[in-house]
Amino acid sequence: DIQMTQSPSSLSASVGDTVTVTCRASQGISIYLAWFQQKPGKAPKSLIYAASSLHSGVPSKFSGSGSGTDFTLTISSLQPEDFATYYCQQYVNYPVTFGQGTRLEIK
Amino acid sequence: EVQLVESGGGLVQPGGSLRLSCAASGFTVSNNYMSWVRQAPGKGLEWVSIIYSSGETHYGDSVKGRFTISRDSSKNTLYLQMTSLRAEDTAVYYCARDVMETNTYDYWGQGTLVTVSS
Repeated sequence: DIQMTQSPSSLSASVGDTVTVTCRASQGISIYLAWFQQKPGKAPKSLIYAASSLHSGVPSKFSGSGSGTDFTLTISSLQPEDFATYYCQQYVNYPVTFGQGTRLEIK
Repeated sequence: EVQLVESGGGLVQPGGSLRLSCAASGFTVSNNYMSWVRQAPGKGLEWVSIIYSSGETHYGDSVKGRFTISRDSSKNTLYLQMTSLRAEDTAVYYCARDVMETNTYDYWGQGTLVTVSS
């Protein structure tokens, strides 16, 4: 199975900051990488697929990059509604696997 | 508007069975890849199963042989039949629509909680 490792596991930031979350795959996955946002008690929300393509309706403050084994999610100009947990996912083969999550907290 | 609404969760004893439903609107289930993803309390996301538009199915190792994914075109609904349930199957179960026949998702349901306990 492909292991997905996110760093950091938690992150404190202030409103207006720009933050970056990293996701590393245990083997190359091309660009078969997605990012999700989840708020407490809610379903995940899809943000990005194919490493850098934004889903419809997702604001451009979210951006993704990378290929192979190393990927990043960048969130600019943080607003209160952006504080949540973020997950990466590889979907190049089965089983589809997720990172352990990065909890973004307000400083 | 695409909507996914899960139902069927609840409390079940170890070894028991349960069937989850995911009623879809705004698109046709049988024309899309559809998946189930679960989340144990306080834990991360875990892929459970997928059904292709062709009807081909795949399962995670932890549920293979115990869970069955299916769909009913007349009801535009996705199902997950769960048998031989274990305590470690306790989780919120989400259904999700796949993006353009990939194995990632664009729309998610709100989830249904399954608790396996005596």
